[in-house]
Amino acid sequence: DAGVIQSPRHEVTEMGQEVTLRCKPISGHDYLFWYRQTMMRGLELLIYFNNNVPIDDSGMPEDRFSAKMPNASFSTLKIQPSEPRDSAVYFCASSLGLTGGRRNQPQHFGDGTRLSIL
Amino acid sequence: LAKTTQPISMDSYEGQEVNITCSHNNIATNDYITWYQQFPSQGPRFIIQGYKTKVTNEVASLFIPADRKSSTLSLPRVSLSDTAVYYCLVGETGGFKTIFGAGTRLFVKA
Repeated sequence: DAGVIQSPRHEVTEMGQEVTLRCKPISGHDYLFWYRQTMMRGLELLIYFNNNVPIDDSGMPEDRFSAKMPNASFSTLKIQPSEPRDSAVYFCASSLGLTGGRRNQPQHFGDGTRLSIL
Repeated sequence: LAKTTQPISMDSYEGQEVNITCSHNNIATNDYITWYQQFPSQGPRFIIQGYKTKVTNEVASLFIPADRKSSTLSLPRVSLSDTAVYYCLVGETGGFKTIFGAGTRLFVKA
């Protein structure tokens, strides 16, 4: 079975441009997570979905960030307009439940999108 | 929310057993302990999870003392490919209780 698939793997764009990151979760997983990783802040959870519904987006840094999950097999994270401080590696993960919770399922991460805003 | 403390880095040699200890003094009764591994240019990968005593799988062992205020990830006979960052997480992860700290950078030398 394929793992979590993210695209693109690398994105370089100029400040002010719109950036769209894509994620295909593992089939059958009903949770989807977007993370951002930087040297300074480590791995931060931005938003997560359960059954395609955003549960909490309080980790999203600003209104410039938005995420959607139109169906169970696809999600996007959009930044508009992008800024140099948005440069980071963005990870998508999916799971059958919250690890450590009642269903006790681990998260499966994609290989990330390395985003550079010039 | 249980905070975790683990060493920033560790060095080892191929073939040795490596033990990484994580402190979580305020772990709650219902909290599980989960370890992830992250290689460069990849996302974190689930290694092992436990609640108490000892858990073993094909990759590692997890030792949890009776008071559950710490846990130790044990990697038997490490190889160069085990060089990675190892994260200890406590509690229900995936929601906004999830805290991936700085992790422990393990360097395995030949």
